[in-house]
Amino acid sequence: DAGVIQSPRHEVTEMGQEVTLRCKPISGHNSLFWYRQTMMRGLELLIYFNNNVPIDDSGMPEDRFSAKMPNASFSTLKIQPSEPRDSAVYFCASSAMAIGLAGGGANVLTFGAGSRLTVL
Amino acid sequence: AQSVTQLGSHVSVSEGALVLLRCNYSSSVPPYLFWYVQYPNQGLQLLLKYTSAATLVKGINGFEAEFKKSETSFHLTKPSAHMSDAAEYFCAVSDRRYSSASKIIFGSGTRLSIRP
Repeated sequence: DAGVIQSPRHEVTEMGQEVTLRCKPISGHNSLFWYRQTMMRGLELLIYFNNNVPIDDSGMPEDRFSAKMPNASFSTLKIQPSEPRDSAVYFCASSAMAIGLAGGGANVLTFGAGSRLTVL
Repeated sequence: AQSVTQLGSHVSVSEGALVLLRCNYSSSVPPYLFWYVQYPNQGLQLLLKYTSAATLVKGINGFEAEFKKSETSFHLTKPSAHMSDAAEYFCAVSDRRYSSASKIIFGSGTRLSIRP
């Protein structure tokens, strides 16, 4: 397996432009997470999906951010319009939830290499 | 709400010395706990995980961590540091909901430097 694939790896854009980040999770994984990493705020969970359904988007900063997962092999994180404070590394991670174990399963995340976004 | 606190944003040790990275958790239910490592310009990789099978958990690259409920701690250790251990280390927690994906919350990270 090629692992979690994110694109683009680097994006430089101007304030006000739309940004779309893409993620292909590991085949067979049924949970997908979007994180944002900055020096000031560390690693923040933005949103996560289970079986393509958004479970918790309470970490999405504001309405400018949206995420979709139209099928099990693809997810997007969109920022419109982008602002300089959105500059960060955005990580996608996927996991195979071990359903059926007493007390639930432990999500072990496999991360992509990240998309470094710079908004000028 | 669950959370983890990592004490010390930067730890520096000499090559061959003991590595100790501290993590304390807060959770209303027995948690799952994890340590991840991030090398420069890469995503995070799992080092080890605690799921209640054993309180002392061994991971990759010679690292291990011990779950101590009385201290709400999950500190990461390695007996002898190697130059290749230089990286950022993250402690993480998730809860034990049955049949559903759970949030995984990360600590602020500890940067480990190794002195020759």
